[in-house]
Amino acid sequence: GQQVMQIPQYQHVQEGEDFTTYCNSSTTLSNIQWYKQRPGGHPVFLIQLVKSGEVKKQKRLTFQFGEAKKNSSLHITATQTTDVGTYFCAGGDPGGGADGLTFGKGTHLIIQP
Amino acid sequence: NAGVTQTPKFRVLKTGQSMTLLCAQDMNHEYMYWYRQDPGMGLRLIHYSVGEGTTAKGEVPDGYNVSRLKKQNFLLGLESAAPSQTSVYFCASNLGWVTGELFFGEGSRLTVL
Repeated sequence: GQQVMQIPQYQHVQEGEDFTTYCNSSTTLSNIQWYKQRPGGHPVFLIQLVKSGEVKKQKRLTFQFGEAKKNSSLHITATQTTDVGTYFCAGGDPGGGADGLTFGKGTHLIIQP
Repeated sequence: NAGVTQTPKFRVLKTGQSMTLLCAQDMNHEYMYWYRQDPGMGLRLIHYSVGEGTTAKGEVPDGYNVSRLKKQNFLLGLESAAPSQTSVYFCASNLGWVTGELFFGEGSRLTVL
């Protein structure tokens, strides 16, 4: 079955530093979604990328989808304490049905003030 | 607009007991999902439903049953709880797997002693 690998598992940064998490699939994805989960909370949708090479920005967050649609990244510029949480990617299987969305294991972002 | 509501939020069971988690959504979504989240494992799909009266197995279905008698409700049952089922359970819904974001409930924390 489809596997989505996400690295790193944990990332410690000083407030104000940048942060990047990477998502890699062994197979081509139909789309990729990104979610944020605050400690003790539930996953909240951030964005969906569909096109090869797509880049989208949300304020300090930049999302990229690779040309081969096998990898993606989330970059946060100048982290703030409000960015603390776990960031998950979820890749869609082109041949899959409703169960075709596979989540990565997430990257825990820890920010030291 | 409540979105996705899960009950109960917390539950402690003894091994062998049964229970049902209820998920209700008020967004008229066709697709509903049950995930479990364990430390270091990300989100794993248990069962899902693509419409009223339908259910299907996800990645980790063993030990669980589901029902979707009404479009707005998706029930997850544990017939004989085991300690391995200690986890946080999230219900989610969306319009359809290709149509974007998953809306998650706040989660149900289950402990099996």
